[in-house]
Amino acid sequence: SYELTQPPSVSVSPGQTASITCSGDKLGGKYTCWYQQKPGQSPVLVIYENSKRPSGIPGRFSGSNSGNTATLTISGTQSTDEADYYCQAWDSTIHVVFGGGTKLTVL
Amino acid sequence: QLQLQASGPGLVKPSETLSLTCTVSGGSVSNTNYYWGWIRQPPGKGLEWIGSVYHTGSSYYNPSLKSRATISIDTSKNQYSLSLRSVTAADTALYYCARDSQRGTSDFWGQGTLVTVSS
Repeated sequence: SYELTQPPSVSVSPGQTASITCSGDKLGGKYTCWYQQKPGQSPVLVIYENSKRPSGIPGRFSGSNSGNTATLTISGTQSTDEADYYCQAWDSTIHVVFGGGTKLTVL
Repeated sequence: QLQLQASGPGLVKPSETLSLTCTVSGGSVSNTNYYWGWIRQPPGKGLEWIGSVYHTGSSYYNPSLKSRATISIDTSKNQYSLSLRSVTAADTALYYCARDSQRGTSDFWGQGTLVTVSS
């Protein structure tokens, strides 16, 4: 079965850039998206189709996907960005697979 | 405004069948642009995709759950449902229903409903 690997935790200082990676075999050939989940809330889509932002998501969120790694980048990180982040991959073979999640701490 | 509301028993006995329904309002499950999916999250753990269904009834599943899961859709009621057979404690989770746009993206999520498997 297909697996996606994320670091369990990432720390960043306010105003700095946070990068969260998601690794999988030939991931660059699949579509990836990213979800933000705050405690007690449902996940919210922040990046889809590798690098597109849904309406309402701040411009400081960006995504990329190449080779075996997809990356979610948060520029000028704010305290409100503290949350769990999940990557997800899709193609017609694997259908949908989630990464294990990364806890982003802003300190 | 789109709303997805998952409902069903909060407690299921081991070996029995978990049955949940997602009621969609502010949108139509017959919309040809979307699939309708189920995702679960065990307490304190990550997300796990269960499967998705199209308005035609065509569905696809997580291979690890395929033998036990069935997702069906009722366009007349604007609902879709999940049935998970032979449950164990490992199936205890918060179950979310979500709208799936192209390429597997779940672009809108309901609030989720907690299901506990226990005798």
